[in-house]
Amino acid sequence: DVKVTQSSRYLVKRTGEKVFLECVQDMDHENMFWYRQDPGLGLRLIYFSYDVKMKEKGDIPEGYSVSREKKERFSLILESASTNQTSMYLCASSLVGQGYEKLFFGSGTQLSVL
Amino acid sequence: RKEVEQDPGPFNVPEGATVAFNCTYSNSASQSFFWYRQDCRKEPKLLMSVYSSGNEDGRFTAQLNRASQYISLLIRDSKLSDSATYLCVVNDMRFGAGTRLTVKP
Repeated sequence: DVKVTQSSRYLVKRTGEKVFLECVQDMDHENMFWYRQDPGLGLRLIYFSYDVKMKEKGDIPEGYSVSREKKERFSLILESASTNQTSMYLCASSLVGQGYEKLFFGSGTQLSVL
Repeated sequence: RKEVEQDPGPFNVPEGATVAFNCTYSNSASQSFFWYRQDCRKEPKLLMSVYSSGNEDGRFTAQLNRASQYISLLIRDSKLSDSATYLCVVNDMRFGAGTRLTVKP
């Protein structure tokens, strides 16, 4: 089974701190994604990557950056955390194929910014 | 207009009921469609893909209407264990806000 591992289940940070959320997948997937999930808003796409060192902005990239130095690892960076970035963050990965590619999710990181 | 829109519900139905959810999408060039299920405080997991001709998996039926740009999920004979949030996904990465279903005894 594919495993997508997020480094922390719960994280508490202070306003202005630089925050790193790490995601690692073990199935050699090309595609990786970062979402945040807030009540009533569903999953919103922050950034995604189709290959090493490649990144694309999703629908809400403001205040975030990403890094993909290795195929299996996709990091989300909050350069200066703010209270409105308190959320559940979900990482996902998928294969490149002929379409209909299933997303595999990590168990999420609940980030609280105080 | 959002790329993917869902009726947020909540849908509260008795066991054994049939319930249907719709999800509309704005990009007419969209190619792939899915339904995911998310239990409380858990990550989403794939429920089923949605094929052009429609597809069925046990009590679950998914359909695509390209002309009206929506997909649907029908659950027959609802079970208590079907209680969850159902999310539609378009083009492998864009989610609707989710529809919450509670099945009651």
